Amino acid sequence: QSVLTQPPSVSGAPGQRVTISCTGNSSNIGAGYDVHWYQHLPGTAPKPLIYGNTNRPSGVPDRFSGSKSGTSASLAITGLQAEDEADYYCQSYDSSLSGSKVFGGGTKLTVL
Amino acid sequence: QVQLQESGPGLVKPSQTLSLTCTVSGGSISSGRYFWSWIRQPAGKGLEWIGRIYTSGSTNYNPSLKSRVTLSIDTSKNQFSLNLSSVTAADTAVYYCAKDRANMIGSSFDPWGQGTLVTVSS
Repeated sequence: QSVLTQPPSVSGAPGQRVTISCTGNSSNIGAGYDVHWYQHLPGTAPKPLIYGNTNRPSGVPDRFSGSKSGTSASLAITGLQAEDEADYYCQSYDSSLSGSKVFGGGTKLTVL
Repeated sequence: QVQLQESGPGLVKPSQTLSLTCTVSGGSISSGRYFWSWIRQPAGKGLEWIGRIYTSGSTNYNPSLKSRVTLSIDTSKNQFSLNLSSVTAADTAVYYCAKDRANMIGSSFDPWGQGTLVTVSS
């Protein structure tokens, strides 16, 4: 049971827009802590996609965007491409867990 | 550009201690006062944060693993290490080391090591 809740899977056709939600509570996202997103392909290291709720590291296409409101955050991917098929994880900080970093359970994105 | 590389045994027997080291290259582990973390992913499951160590040696651990985890840092070797005691098959996972992207409490992880698979089996 992950501290942050994500849908297990989402799907979309090439060119479409998909969103992945990440829901927390008043000890993590709702407390104002930043949400970060990672793209994870099998056999590779997770790749930072969004940091600080809305910021993209250098090299990440602007098709990827993040937002945050209240106790939730979202990752949006526009112009879906086959190469976007991967697992996506949100991550934040939780003040009620002895200063723990916490992850969502992950969302499998399937490009139809 | 900082790079991280995990190393250690790929097979550990049940009840024994899992020990991994993360070697940092391309920069000093002491510079910038960052946290350095261990994260794992059991097969078919999501990412789980294990704990982190500051350049001063102070630590934070995942409460679910706290009783079995010890992190240490060796600034002279530019390395930090993970010890996980009394392992069971449930500890079989790919283990990653990672650096906090920024010197702030809720920072993201960037960069990450490539990960190393540790299997717990007799």
